Amino acid sequence: DAGVIQSPRHEVTEMGQEVTLRCKPISGHNSLFWYRQTMMRGLELLIYFNNNVPIDDSGMPEDRFSAKMPNASFSTLKIQPSEPRDSAVYFCASVTGVSHGELFFGEGSRLTVL
Amino acid sequence: GDSVTQMEGPVTLSEEAFLTINCTYTATGYPSLFWYVQYPGEGLQLLLKATKADDKGSNKGFEATYRKETTSFHLEKGSVQVSDSAVYFCALSDRNNAGNMLTFGGGTRLMVKP
Repeated sequence: DAGVIQSPRHEVTEMGQEVTLRCKPISGHNSLFWYRQTMMRGLELLIYFNNNVPIDDSGMPEDRFSAKMPNASFSTLKIQPSEPRDSAVYFCASVTGVSHGELFFGEGSRLTVL
Repeated sequence: GDSVTQMEGPVTLSEEAFLTINCTYTATGYPSLFWYVQYPGEGLQLLLKATKADDKGSNKGFEATYRKETTSFHLEKGSVQVSDSAVYFCALSDRNNAGNMLTFGGGTRLMVKP
């Protein structure tokens, strides 16, 4: 299996621009997570989906952030408008319903907002 | 709620030194415990796990024992190598949580010098 695939790997944009990060989970995995990692705050859970349905989005920092999972093989995390404090590495992870905690992470999308 | 506490880093060791990274947890249910490792520029990957009290997880020379009486899951390695330099995350998954959600510690950076 190709693993969790994220794109883009690197994104540099200017403040106010819209940013869309994409994730393809491992086939057959029914839970998907979006995390953000920064030096200051460490690893933060933003939102997770079960069977394409958002279950907990309490970690989404504000209304500028939104996430969708239109089908089992694709998810997006959108930031509109972006701000410099959104600069971070964003990770997507997926897991099967029975693996109980063995998350598989993508390589991350490094976002820099100027 | 559930929480995981790790020793703060960075931990700097010479090659072939003994490694211990402390991890303690609080959980309302019966958690499974995990250590994840993040190499530079990569996503997190599962290093080892233990699903019940007194279980020992092991992989690549690393070990951790699930100690219910002390609510701990300390990571150890007898002889570290430069290639072990990474950030290590302790995590738990509460079996009462149907969403497979992990609670992560803050991470401990390990630097091994030749």
